[in-house]
Amino acid sequence: KNQVEQSPQSLIILEGKNCTLQCNYTVSPFSNLRWYKQDTGRGPVSLTIMTFSENTKSNGRYTATLDADTKQSSLHITASQLSDSASYICVVSAEGNNRLAFGKGNQVVVIP
Amino acid sequence: NAGVTQTPKFQVLKTGQSMTLQCAQDMNHEYMSWYRQDPGMGLRLIHYSVGAGITDQGEVPNGYNVSRSTTEDFPLRLLSAAPSQTSVYFCASSLTGSLGEQYFGPGTRLTVT
Repeated sequence: KNQVEQSPQSLIILEGKNCTLQCNYTVSPFSNLRWYKQDTGRGPVSLTIMTFSENTKSNGRYTATLDADTKQSSLHITASQLSDSASYICVVSAEGNNRLAFGKGNQVVVIP
Repeated sequence: NAGVTQTPKFQVLKTGQSMTLQCAQDMNHEYMSWYRQDPGMGLRLIHYSVGAGITDQGEVPNGYNVSRSTTEDFPLRLLSAAPSQTSVYFCASSLTGSLGEQYFGPGTRLTVT
């Protein structure tokens, strides 16, 4: 059973519009949650990291939120650009565990 | 810094052939790992290393070997390639283990026929 579930699996948005990606996890004990951006044909690159005590963190037009009680995170993309077309992967770390739990990714396509 | 480098970028193998995927990092990271990425699935851990001379199995280790003789290099060996090993392989490194930011290489696209 995948410990990290992401939705929607894919979405198409118009350039300039906003979108929100969801991540639900069951990983325990929770250490941190990261969102990675993966461009086609490239390796993932970290966008944000959220720890237990953090509710919101921004990186430019990307804003991540975390609700540790409900075990949910979201990634909001503001004023989308064509370069935002990518897969966004939610990754959760557990304390005392050398393995990460990866979501399958949200595939975002931004069209002009 | 070059970061994490991987070679080759693309590779085609016949069933039963062996090969080594190379991975190197110049950030002095102790933690290194190998993942495979298949369509519709999340990244899956093959093997990882917490330092030179130390390796451990991940989620899908069968058919793969690793060694870590130096901090910089972490090669992945396919012993006898099978079509099920067709995938994109990513190497990653981190300063602080699995809890830290993972720096991924550009990937190796492997096809086994």
